[in-house]
Amino acid sequence: DAKTTQPPSMDCAEGRAANLPCNHSTISGNEYVYWYRQIHSQGPQYIIHGLKNNETNEMASLIITEDRKSSTLILPHATLRDTAVYYCRTGNQFYFGTGTSLTVIP
Amino acid sequence: EAGVVQSPRYKIIEKKQPVAFWCNPISGHNTLYWYLQNLGQGPELLIRYENEEAVDDSQLPKDRFSAERLKGVDSTLKIQPAELGDSAVYLCASSLAGTGPYEQYFGPGTRLTVT
Repeated sequence: DAKTTQPPSMDCAEGRAANLPCNHSTISGNEYVYWYRQIHSQGPQYIIHGLKNNETNEMASLIITEDRKSSTLILPHATLRDTAVYYCRTGNQFYFGTGTSLTVIP
Repeated sequence: EAGVVQSPRYKIIEKKQPVAFWCNPISGHNTLYWYLQNLGQGPELLIRYENEEAVDDSQLPKDRFSAERLKGVDSTLKIQPAELGDSAVYLCASSLAGTGPYEQYFGPGTRLTVT
């Protein structure tokens, strides 16, 4: 199971795009990339996943590099309610790292 | 659609006492997970069930922790006896089974405080 590396914290101005990076350089060919977020005192919430192609849903966009060694979660217009810890994980072993604490600033 | 239900939401016990957590997964989800989350850390997998079978319990401290999933639906996680270091949030999650992808849906967690 590939391990992931994320910056511990990031700030983003309200209304601007938040770009959250994740490094997963040891990912294997059949492992998906998943993103979750966790708001204080709640359980993690699934956001999006992808394998090779970029993906978009109502919550976010996921950009995966061609070599699949890294990905970026994009929140196109960040709001104060997007303040949370964002976790990137890969594969089927259900490992979560320490995530990125995103603070959206008014 | 109802989400993953956990109870209790909060529990305070003295050390050496037993404690149990209950989880009801999303209807139709065959896979159930128990995680432990310490303050400032990501969730750590304790055990994963496929239907009634525990397919991954390698991180479960079996000297004091036990879990069961009778009839392949609800699950109970037990600690006996509890230690001070067990204070944490215990999360339950569920997902569909199959070949993937395995997006998980989490409950709100049970916050355990051992005094």
